[in-house]
Amino acid sequence: DVKVTQSSRYLVKRTGEKVFLECVQDMDHENMFWYRQDPGLGLRLIYFSYDVKMKEKGDIPEGYSVSREKKERFSLILESASTNQTSMYLCASRTRVDRNTEAFFGQGTRLTVV
Amino acid sequence: GNSVTQMEGPVTLSEEAFLTINCTYTATGYPSLFWYVQYPGEGLQLLLKATKADDKGSNKGFEATYRKETTSFHLEKGSVQVSDSAVYFCALTHYGQNFVFGPGTRLSVLP
Repeated sequence: DVKVTQSSRYLVKRTGEKVFLECVQDMDHENMFWYRQDPGLGLRLIYFSYDVKMKEKGDIPEGYSVSREKKERFSLILESASTNQTSMYLCASRTRVDRNTEAFFGQGTRLTVV
Repeated sequence: GNSVTQMEGPVTLSEEAFLTINCTYTATGYPSLFWYVQYPGEGLQLLLKATKADDKGSNKGFEATYRKETTSFHLEKGSVQVSDSAVYFCALTHYGQNFVFGPGTRLSVLP
């Protein structure tokens, strides 16, 4: 069974902390994504990666960075957490070969910044 | 650019009622279309998909038909259950481009 695993279900961090959200997939997928989900705003793409060490900005990259040192792992970094980054964060992956392929999502990380 | 519009709800139904959640899209060519479901506190799960015009995706009693002429992919279920309470997202992708998601429709099914 395919799997995307996010390292934490719930996180509470303080304002100004550096926060790492980790995501691992076991499907050998080329593409990986980070979204945030907020009530009334749907899913918004933060960053994505087509390959190891590659990254592209999504729609709302400000305040975030990412790292992809290995194919299976994609990390989202909040350089200095702020209260407006309190949100649900979703990681996803998909293969690049076939345009019809679906994206697989992790279980989500609910981050609260206090 | 590509876009997806869906009814935002919330939609509240009684158990065994018929469900329709409307979804329309804007895209050039022939995108692939998807419905995802998100149960409370969880990530998104693929519910069904269709990759070409007139395809019907189906799963767990849910169905949706890819209608090119009306650019629609409406989700239907004949008899909903309390366990179907969730948020439903319509989405598309096209030639390997990133997914475009609708805003989600919250469904509550009452016993």
